[in-house]
Amino acid sequence: ILNVEQSPQSLHVQEGDSTNFTCSFPSSNFYALHWYRWETAKSPEALFVMTLNGDEKKKGRISATLNTKEGYSYLYIKGSQPEDSATYLCAASSYGNKLVFGAGTILRVKS
Amino acid sequence: NAGVTQTPKFQVLKTGQSMTLQCAQDMNHEYMSWYRQDPGMGLRLIHYSVGAGITDQGEVPNGYNVSRSTTEDFPLRLLSAAPSQTSVYFCASSYRSRGSSGANVLTFGAGSRLTVL
Repeated sequence: ILNVEQSPQSLHVQEGDSTNFTCSFPSSNFYALHWYRWETAKSPEALFVMTLNGDEKKKGRISATLNTKEGYSYLYIKGSQPEDSATYLCAASSYGNKLVFGAGTILRVKS
Repeated sequence: NAGVTQTPKFQVLKTGQSMTLQCAQDMNHEYMSWYRQDPGMGLRLIHYSVGAGITDQGEVPNGYNVSRSTTEDFPLRLLSAAPSQTSVYFCASSYRSRGSSGANVLTFGAGSRLTVL
């Protein structure tokens, strides 16, 4: 079973700060890496799915990169806004598409 | 198009009681799964299914049963509830992401909060 780790556990930043989080996963048998955004009292929503080494995805002020050889992905938020406050989950799947989640990074953006 | 529908939203059980959490999706997704969410532990996979008639265990399957008789429905059964099963349960289903062939993006239900006394 994959072991997916996220750091930091939580992060408090000021509005306008840029920030990034890390997701680590075993590089052997890797298939796909997902990022989800989870707001309080809502369901997780997909941000990105990446499969290839060197993949970079961007959605507005949020972007992600993937290194499958060393087993990590970074999520970047440029110019954080209070509405970016959420828990950011990453999940990795091996062949067979069984998705295993990390514990998440809680982001709080103060205005 | 309702997406993924979970019922009930809240449930309180006594130790030893059984119940079924219902999950239905109307997106013709092949893949469905159940997760539980506990503080500090993220989402842990209980059971999953890659199609009707096929189910498999996830990380924490003990105390739970599933079946997949149709593409739309994937109920989760608690056979004899225990306080350790107090949690928030999420059902999720998958289509294939257009940009990443073979990678399944999950659509989640709203969650079911279960308390076992």
